[in-house]
Amino acid sequence: EAQVTQNPRYLITVTGKKLTVTCSQNMNHEYMSWYRQDPGLGLRQIYYSMNVEVTDKGDVPEGYKVSRKEKRNFPLILESPSPNQTSLYFCASSFGSNTQYFGPGTRLTVL
Amino acid sequence: DAKTTQPNSMESNEEEPVHLPCNHSTISGTDYIHWYRQLPSQGPEYVIHGLTSNVNNRMASLAIAEDRKSSTLILHRATLRDAAVYYCIRGGGNNRKLIWGLGTSLAVNP
Repeated sequence: EAQVTQNPRYLITVTGKKLTVTCSQNMNHEYMSWYRQDPGLGLRQIYYSMNVEVTDKGDVPEGYKVSRKEKRNFPLILESPSPNQTSLYFCASSFGSNTQYFGPGTRLTVL
Repeated sequence: DAKTTQPNSMESNEEEPVHLPCNHSTISGTDYIHWYRQLPSQGPEYVIHGLTSNVNNRMASLAIAEDRKSSTLILHRATLRDAAVYYCIRGGGNNRKLIWGLGTSLAVNP
């Protein structure tokens, strides 16, 4: 089944404790992207990747890192999480940047 | 502002057509217009996209104004399962960044 998976689905952590949210797709898509969704602000793009080893900043990249060492995986790294990074995170993939397929979301709480 | 503009909410009756408007007055020539929807507790789901011409697929139709400054998503017969937040997005194509608006929350009455 074609899908985008994210792990974990729920995470509660404390300020400053490094964490990684994994994203994997099985559709051989070149394009992958991370978004955060906050009430009243909608979806905002954090980072995107056009292909392996090619990444670029979205609208809100501060406090986040990504890597794209292989085509199927695009992890989101928070080196030192802060409470303002409490949010719902979505990973997406596509051929090009049309018709994106979204993962189920990761709800992160930073205390 | 580069974001699209949509009504906060709309209401429809089941089995009636729904026209969801979107303004994107600052759209560039290479920007596509995308529509996604998000059902409660789920990730966004692709609905349709287009560049200049009107588009139809099994889910909906997209009508794009001649000057491309606005578009309308048309659900031909709303069902209860169409109740969702509908997002109009500009970008993609040569502009890889997708710029999401706040969406329209569609309620469908039985």
